[in-house]
Amino acid sequence: NAGVTQTPKFRVLKTGQSMTLLCAQDMNHEYMYWYRQDPGMGLRLIHYSVGEGTTAKGEVPDGYNVSRLKKQNFLLGLESAAPSQTSVYFCASSYETPAYEQYFGPGTRLTVT
Amino acid sequence: GIQVEQSPPDLILQEGANSTLRCNFSDSVNNLQWFHQNPWGQLINLFYIPSGTKQNGRLSATTVATERYSLLYISSSQTTDSGVYFCAVVIQGAQKLVFGQGTRLTINP
Repeated sequence: NAGVTQTPKFRVLKTGQSMTLLCAQDMNHEYMYWYRQDPGMGLRLIHYSVGEGTTAKGEVPDGYNVSRLKKQNFLLGLESAAPSQTSVYFCASSYETPAYEQYFGPGTRLTVT
Repeated sequence: GIQVEQSPPDLILQEGANSTLRCNFSDSVNNLQWFHQNPWGQLINLFYIPSGTKQNGRLSATTVATERYSLLYISSSQTTDSGVYFCAVVIQGAQKLVFGQGTRLTINP
């Protein structure tokens, strides 16, 4: 099992550009999450999904959109990137509710200039 | 919201030393996880431990849910143990992990 994978690993964008981050999991997990980590801080939840076709806002959702068209994939989109979105983005999944153990991907380092 | 406090914020030790990291939380939880973020930025799951005690090699963890704290023990430290250790919790009924600020551990040879 590959677990949780993320694509790409690194990306540099200019202000105003758009991009999509892809998260995939092969553990048949229902719940998936997108977090961001800023220097010297823990992770904060952006959006999450409780199952295929569902999405919900987390703690810091502004400027991001998400989609979960397939159970194994969770996409995070930036429609118009801003320097404040420079961060490391982590995807995670759990079997069912957040009460279950969450497994994290390797992260995507995004820089917006 | 729930508060998650980790101590100490920084810890510098010599190889071979033992250490104890603490995580205090302010509400009842149904998930508590310990992670190691290595110098390359990867988050490694160490323990899923909403209550009780677990051991994995040189690492062990204990969560006393009724007193709202968890401890991570590292014995016979190695330089590869260096990095940031995060505690994260989910309060009952919530949908997110709330992370502490982390403990930065440096193991010198």
